[in-house]
Amino acid sequence: NAGVMQNPRHLVRRRGQEARLRCSPVKGHSHVYWYRQLPEEGLKFMVYLQKENIIDESGMPKERFSAEFPKEGPSILRIQQVVRGDSAAYFCASSPNLPGLGNEQFFGPGTRLTVL
Amino acid sequence: QKEVEQNSGPLSVPEGAIASLNCTYSDRVSQSFFWYRQYSGKSPELIMSIYSNGDKEDGRFTAQLNKASQYVSLLIRDSQPSDSATYLCAVNTGNQFYFGTGTSLTVIP
Repeated sequence: NAGVMQNPRHLVRRRGQEARLRCSPVKGHSHVYWYRQLPEEGLKFMVYLQKENIIDESGMPKERFSAEFPKEGPSILRIQQVVRGDSAAYFCASSPNLPGLGNEQFFGPGTRLTVL
Repeated sequence: QKEVEQNSGPLSVPEGAIASLNCTYSDRVSQSFFWYRQYSGKSPELIMSIYSNGDKEDGRFTAQLNKASQYVSLLIRDSQPSDSATYLCAVNTGNQFYFGTGTSLTVIP
């Protein structure tokens, strides 16, 4: 069974460029979460999506960041006009169930974004 | 007040000892509780989930939940050097999952 897949694993961008991060959940999982982790800090929730729907984006910065989870294909986290402060590890997690009981999340390997 | 708080450590225990990791959370309506292990430079790996008060055992790991005290703990018996990692406590409240900043554990051979 393939776990959560993320690509690219490492991404280098210059200030002002766009970063596009992809996440393929565990087969059969329809719930996807994106997190950001800065060095020596905890995981910060960004957004929760189901197929074709953004359920909760309260953790996402209001500008430059967007996420989608189309009917076909991976979930994508897009960061426009990146700045150095966007440098972090971005993790995707998937879950088989709605929030509540039995909703363990399984994490992908992460994408480490470096903004020069 | 942070939603989830953990002692950042570092916590050092000798090989074979019991490691005890603690976590408190602020929202009484939280439903689900998880412990993850994260090695340096790697992604979090799920160790345990617990949903009801009491203890839940899985191999060398025991999770304990006390909703009245808003407290979750993880015990690691017969600690091994390979258990050396950062342990993250996570709490599900509504649609969101809140993570603590983690407790760094070192098991000394």
